[in-house]
Amino acid sequence: DAKTTQPNSMESNEEEPVHLPCNHSTISGTDYIHWYRQLPSQGPEYVIHGLTSNVNNRMASLAIAEDRKSSTLILHRATLRDAAVYYCILRDRETSGSRLTFGEGTQLTVNP
Amino acid sequence: DSGVTQTPKHLITATGQRVTLRCSPRSGDLSVYWYQQSLDQGLQFLIQYYNGEERAKGNILERFSAQQFPDLHSELNLSSLELGDSALYFCASSRRLAGYNEQFFGPGTRLTVL
Repeated sequence: DAKTTQPNSMESNEEEPVHLPCNHSTISGTDYIHWYRQLPSQGPEYVIHGLTSNVNNRMASLAIAEDRKSSTLILHRATLRDAAVYYCILRDRETSGSRLTFGEGTQLTVNP
Repeated sequence: DSGVTQTPKHLITATGQRVTLRCSPRSGDLSVYWYQQSLDQGLQFLIQYYNGEERAKGNILERFSAQQFPDLHSELNLSSLELGDSALYFCASSRRLAGYNEQFFGPGTRLTVL
């Protein structure tokens, strides 16, 4: 799977929007962009994924650049519960059963 | 609650011993993945099964093995344990094989090797 680059850490205030960036300059045409997060002492949790168009779900929004070389996970109103490590992962849709390749992720701190 | 269950929650054992970690996937999920999370290596994929057959292998040591049973639960066997095997072991499941399918993770088993 192609590599992604994320900032090591970010900080936000409660009830403010958070924009978590991810660079993936070597993304291929068949790579989906996935975001997972891991809350303290828990297993990773799926957040959102997309291919080309921006995506919204109840947890977050995913904004994908036109050239697909970067994306941004948007949490519209951060809560204390959103404090977690956020992982941006590329997965090839053509590869059946593709594993998740986790990088370092971004540690998000939410201040009350 | 993801619907994936793992037992035991915690396991403390000695070097040289053998342990078995168990995972029950979400109802209807055919694919099971095992991951290891240690402080120095981060989250790493170990092995994947789909409907009872091995589909992919990652950084799994030869001392480790896994299987998926007809009822779709999976077991990860770790033998000749070393101090460095101390880690969190996560199981995940997904409905199908396709690369866009989300994976649902269990709460993990924390293994401590003394």
